[in-house]
Amino acid sequence: EAGVTQSPTHLIKTRGQQATLRCSPISGHTSVYWYQQALGLGLQFLLWYDEGEERNRGNFPPRFSGRQFPNYSSELNVNALELEDSALYLCASRHHRSGSYNEQFFGPGTRLTVL
Amino acid sequence: EDQVTQSPEALRLQEGESSSLNCSYTVSGLRGLFWYRQDPGKGPEFLFTLYSAGEEKEKERLKATLTKKESFLHITAPKPEDSATYLCAVQSLSSGSARQLTFGSGTQLTVLP
Repeated sequence: EAGVTQSPTHLIKTRGQQATLRCSPISGHTSVYWYQQALGLGLQFLLWYDEGEERNRGNFPPRFSGRQFPNYSSELNVNALELEDSALYLCASRHHRSGSYNEQFFGPGTRLTVL
Repeated sequence: EDQVTQSPEALRLQEGESSSLNCSYTVSGLRGLFWYRQDPGKGPEFLFTLYSAGEEKEKERLKATLTKKESFLHITAPKPEDSATYLCAVQSLSSGSARQLTFGSGTQLTVLP
């Protein structure tokens, strides 16, 4: 069974630009989570998508946004990039939002560098 | 606010030298506690889920235990390939259907041959 996939592996942008990161969940998983892992910091919860809708977001500004497509894949958009947005962005998927399946399975991440 | 503290920040062991990693947590009702392993530049790999005090889970050289305030990850006779950062995360009842994870900062384990 294929795991969570993310693209691109690396992304280099300049300050003020926009970045788009993509994620495909494990087959059968409907929930997608995005986390940010900045250097020296722990994983911080960004966004949760389920059944095509944004359901919850962490303590991040509105320039972090995204969407979930009918096939449950997801896209994270970061607008007006700032230097401190440089981080590893991780996507995770979960089986079902209302069931007893609590485990989240992570993809390999996208390393975003803002110059 | 949910909080997770892991100790030590870094741990160096000789191959075969057993030890334990600590994860202490504060949550408004624990739904689950999770352990992950993360290799440099990669995504976290799921290891264990613990739901209630007294629960234990094992996988190869790793055993995770849970009390009402903390969890331990015991590593028995570690090998160099066990070198990684081990992350602890909690999922609180207050997260509702979102079930997002709150992570600790991790313990970086190095096992020397």
